[in-house]
Amino acid sequence: IQLTQSPSSLSASEGDRVTLTCRASQTINNKLHWYQQRPGKAPQLLIHDVSTLRSGVPSRFSGSGSGTDFTLTITGLHPEDSATYFCQQSYSSLTFGPGTKVDFQ
Amino acid sequence: QVQLQESGPGLVKPSGTLSLSCAVSGVPLTSSNWWTWVRQTPGQGLERIGEIYHSGHTNLNPAFKSRVTLSVEKSKQQFSLHLSSVTAADTATYYCARVIGGTFADWGQGTLVTVSS
Repeated sequence: IQLTQSPSSLSASEGDRVTLTCRASQTINNKLHWYQQRPGKAPQLLIHDVSTLRSGVPSRFSGSGSGTDFTLTITGLHPEDSATYFCQQSYSSLTFGPGTKVDFQ
Repeated sequence: QVQLQESGPGLVKPSGTLSLSCAVSGVPLTSSNWWTWVRQTPGQGLERIGEIYHSGHTNLNPAFKSRVTLSVEKSKQQFSLHLSSVTAADTATYYCARVIGGTFADWGQGTLVTVSS
């Protein structure tokens, strides 16, 4: 199963609402998860199973979608949200998308 | 608090074997989790190498299957990766992680391995 993410990068300002998209090459039964990777750090799990926030993740992060199309939304961008965001599916094996880099303007 | 820590040589010669270990603390290695290796390169992004259960059962990415050996050392609370016949294309940051419910729930800090003579 291939995952594509769009855009590949974006630039946004503090307080902006940012929407990132992940598309799967086939339906993945909502086995879609999101990670945040800050520069020089390991990825960290943000959201699992489309929309369930991991404990401790700020509520400005949310996930939605079904079938093959999924989104990660950051409502009210904070400077510390500058990072690359990866989606990952676990329906068939485990694969990652290529990532979306979010830069802070 | 679950912690994972990779260790191993940062430089490996071409055609040699890359060997890394991951020390696990905060949770028994024998808990009902899979333990995995992921690598990251600028060109290929995040690549899953494979997972191992404490029983020794493995699931390997077909792209690495012919070159990879995973093992667990329960007494040491660690698991290991051996990748043979390495080339410059295997230069990457290697992460160990704990898999829960299909997610990579906990990660080590990562270790850069360079393949060069």
